Amino acid sequence: SQTIHQWPATLVQPVGSPLSLECTVEGTSNPNLYWYRQAAGRGLQLLFYSVGIGQISSEVPQNLSASRPQDRQFILSSKKLLLSDSGFYLCAWDYNLFDGYTFGSGTRLTVV
Amino acid sequence: AQSVTQPDIHITVSEGASLELRCNYSYGATPYLFWYVQSPGQGLQLLLKYFSGDTLVQGIKGFEAEFKRSQSSFNLRKPSVHWSDAAEYFCAVGANRDDKIIFGKGTRLHILP
Repeated sequence: SQTIHQWPATLVQPVGSPLSLECTVEGTSNPNLYWYRQAAGRGLQLLFYSVGIGQISSEVPQNLSASRPQDRQFILSSKKLLLSDSGFYLCAWDYNLFDGYTFGSGTRLTVV
Repeated sequence: AQSVTQPDIHITVSEGASLELRCNYSYGATPYLFWYVQSPGQGLQLLLKYFSGDTLVQGIKGFEAEFKRSQSSFNLRKPSVHWSDAAEYFCAVGANRDDKIIFGKGTRLHILP
């Protein structure tokens, strides 16, 4: 069966520090991968999605970037965190739309 | 472009009472429709989905949803809620197999003992 792993679960980082959040999917190949951010009371904001290795589409210009170095690995990064980068980050995958997205358990990022 | 609206930001019901969460979508054809649930500090879990066939869809945890094309709605229902149903619920719509899912802003469900 397919599983999605996301880590770390929580992270407290100072302003100006770098960021690396990792997401991996097991049990499937060539999934579509997504990074979402959820700020308090503001719903889900799609940040990046990827349909294949090295293929990244950005939905919102910001201080973040994403990479897909391997088929089932999706990384969210920042060179210098801002206070406004705080939030709950969710990774998700799907193979085709009808199955819906499967989400990871999320990373709570607090920038101080 | 497709869109999805959840009119209620917060809903409070008593334990054991029935529940209906509203969802309206905007799309010309029959979309892919989903309901997700998110417990505090957790990821989203798929409750149910609809694309075609029977317009009344059964999901996990005793939830069901009904697709009404004439009203562009896909409301989520449960006959009797439990305290563990307190969570945030998201309705979502997708236009076609190769498109992305669009999420509503969510409805937070509170359960009174």
